[in-house]
Amino acid sequence: EPEVTQTPSHQVTQMGQEVILRCVPISNHLYFYWYRQILGQKVEFLVSFYNNEISEKSEIFDDQFSVERPDGSNFTLKIRSTKLEDSAMYFCARGSSGGPYTRTDTQYFGPGTRLTVL
Amino acid sequence: SQQGEEDPQALSIQEGENATMNCSYKTSINNLQWYRQNSGRGLVHLILIRSNEREKHSGRLRVTLDTSKKSSSLLITASRAADTASYFCATGVGKLTFGTGTRLTIIP
Repeated sequence: EPEVTQTPSHQVTQMGQEVILRCVPISNHLYFYWYRQILGQKVEFLVSFYNNEISEKSEIFDDQFSVERPDGSNFTLKIRSTKLEDSAMYFCARGSSGGPYTRTDTQYFGPGTRLTVL
Repeated sequence: SQQGEEDPQALSIQEGENATMNCSYKTSINNLQWYRQNSGRGLVHLILIRSNEREKHSGRLRVTLDTSKKSSSLLITASRAADTASYFCATGVGKLTFGTGTRLTIIP
């Protein structure tokens, strides 16, 4: 199955700036996820998004983070005021094709956005 | 609680040999998945095994699951240079919890 695409591939920003990471999944899928991976560490779940609403979020996903699907296709992760520790790879994933309304266990990941906060 | 710890952390083998990686987890699961990550890239789904399955095959991959020991293993047979990557186990439905990963290097 095709992966999602993510833009940009690399984002460099100054501490305190807002960043928006974008994910373009196959249209009409309803289950999406954001994960992050700090260099050399585990992949960590951030948030899951179903039918345009957050369905689950981790402790990492605090008030500095938000997700939305502004135009019904792109799926964005916004970090309002970046910190040095936000530097990581951010991965978007979608549920597999059990049909767009079915949450299946397998997830398909995009190539990631490398965020560097200076 | 930590979920999904792989061992070894790193493994180097000659091309053509078999590679075995193990994963342990702490809580009960519905399924366990294995993903591959090439350096600096996204994760690629390899195989999913459900809690009522003991073994599953996909091409050169063989996964076992022992729910009594809360462990799984991934065997890659006849390894190739292109298999060089990090391999992660993951548990959960929806929210995936990943292990620490095994970095596999295939020496040509």
